[in-house]
Amino acid sequence: GAGVSQSPSNKVTEKGKDVELRCDPISGHTALYWYRQSLGQGLEFLIYFQGNSAPDKSGLPSDRFSAERTGGSVSTLTIQRTQQEDSAVYLCASSPDRVGGEAFFGQGTRLTVV
Amino acid sequence: DAKTTQPNSMESNEEEPVHLPCNHSTISGTDYIHWYRQLPSQGPEYVIHGLTSNVNNRMASLAIAEDRKSSTLILHRATLRDAAVYYCILRRGSQGNLIFGKGTKLSVKP
Repeated sequence: GAGVSQSPSNKVTEKGKDVELRCDPISGHTALYWYRQSLGQGLEFLIYFQGNSAPDKSGLPSDRFSAERTGGSVSTLTIQRTQQEDSAVYLCASSPDRVGGEAFFGQGTRLTVV
Repeated sequence: DAKTTQPNSMESNEEEPVHLPCNHSTISGTDYIHWYRQLPSQGPEYVIHGLTSNVNNRMASLAIAEDRKSSTLILHRATLRDAAVYYCILRRGSQGNLIFGKGTKLSVKP
């Protein structure tokens, strides 16, 4: 597809379970970003990839959160032992490696922990 | 990353110009000024970016102060569809991170 694709679009999980969220960036985009947004709040930065490496993962809230990117393309955000406060919309974006390259966002994954 | 400061909210009347300010006093020479907006229930979308010179595109204009410590996003004729949260972000060169602040919530009155 032409845009950033995220799956699943909705995920309901029980507290304590692990979840994996997937992001397919636009082909050729070297930068990939993960954010989360709670209801009525701003975008909270989680992690930033350049290619397969993550120069900035300072936003990951705890060691329950991890992310990887393979082949400079698909990225997976994993949340272990989910808690209710993890409930949010998780947004992924990608951008090309050029000055001013605009970031394109996916539609997000709405995660609900019950 | 250098920080930006924006007003929490602004109001505008439909079909009038809107000037959204952003302060970035600690900007460095390689920081580009980016603006994104987030419409209700949608992901953010790119609006415009610039380095030193003023920029125009089909969505908006970006006016950058000579010392680059502030900038203003200009919507020439606000429409109801422009009601959104507008984010001013500094991004370093071509490989910098994109950190969103709280942004300015723009309300447009008919």
